[in-house]
Amino acid sequence: GNSVTQMEGPVTLSEEAFLTINCTYTATGYPSLFWYVQYPGEGLQLLLKATKADDKGSNKGFEATYRKETTSFHLEKGSVQVSDSAVYFCALSKGGSQGNLIFGKGTKLSVKP
Amino acid sequence: NAGVTQTPKFQVLKTGQSMTLQCAQDMNHEYMSWYRQDPGMGLRLIHYSVGAGITDQGEVPNGYNVSRSTTEDFPLRLLSAAPSQTSVYFCASTLSRGGGYTFGSGTRLTVV
Repeated sequence: GNSVTQMEGPVTLSEEAFLTINCTYTATGYPSLFWYVQYPGEGLQLLLKATKADDKGSNKGFEATYRKETTSFHLEKGSVQVSDSAVYFCALSKGGSQGNLIFGKGTKLSVKP
Repeated sequence: NAGVTQTPKFQVLKTGQSMTLQCAQDMNHEYMSWYRQDPGMGLRLIHYSVGAGITDQGEVPNGYNVSRSTTEDFPLRLLSAAPSQTSVYFCASTLSRGGGYTFGSGTRLTVV
């Protein structure tokens, strides 16, 4: 079946450090891939997405590239800020009749000043 | 503001009680879903709807009912609350299921 695996947290970084959160997926065909962010006490917000192989999604300094050959969609940011502290979820959707989101378990990021 | 509105934000129930979690969206989205979020489990799909009058089960539907009488509203009913239903519940909607979903701010439910 379809599934998403992302790196276990928590991840603790100093401000201005480089961030990578790994995400791999299992799915037939060509799913759409997403990163969602959840700030403390809030709902999930769409951070970025990619809908086909080699697409790069980007937003707020975060980037992720859809790699079909490695079935991956790793999230990166060159210089994190304290305000980036949140839980990050990788997800996939196959669209159409299988269009519900399938989530990874989330990775908690803490950024220290 | 346009978006997904969930009520209540917090609720405490006794085992065996029933209640309805409300979800409304004003974006004319056809697709709506309910998820529960538990520590270490990510988000799991409870029920979803692809349009008014059409609902289907997700990964963890037992103990929950839904209906979709209008495009805007998608309430989630707990029939007889159990401690295992203690969780944070999120409603989400989208215009196109290959695109991104908009999430509500959640309902934190505790069953004692």
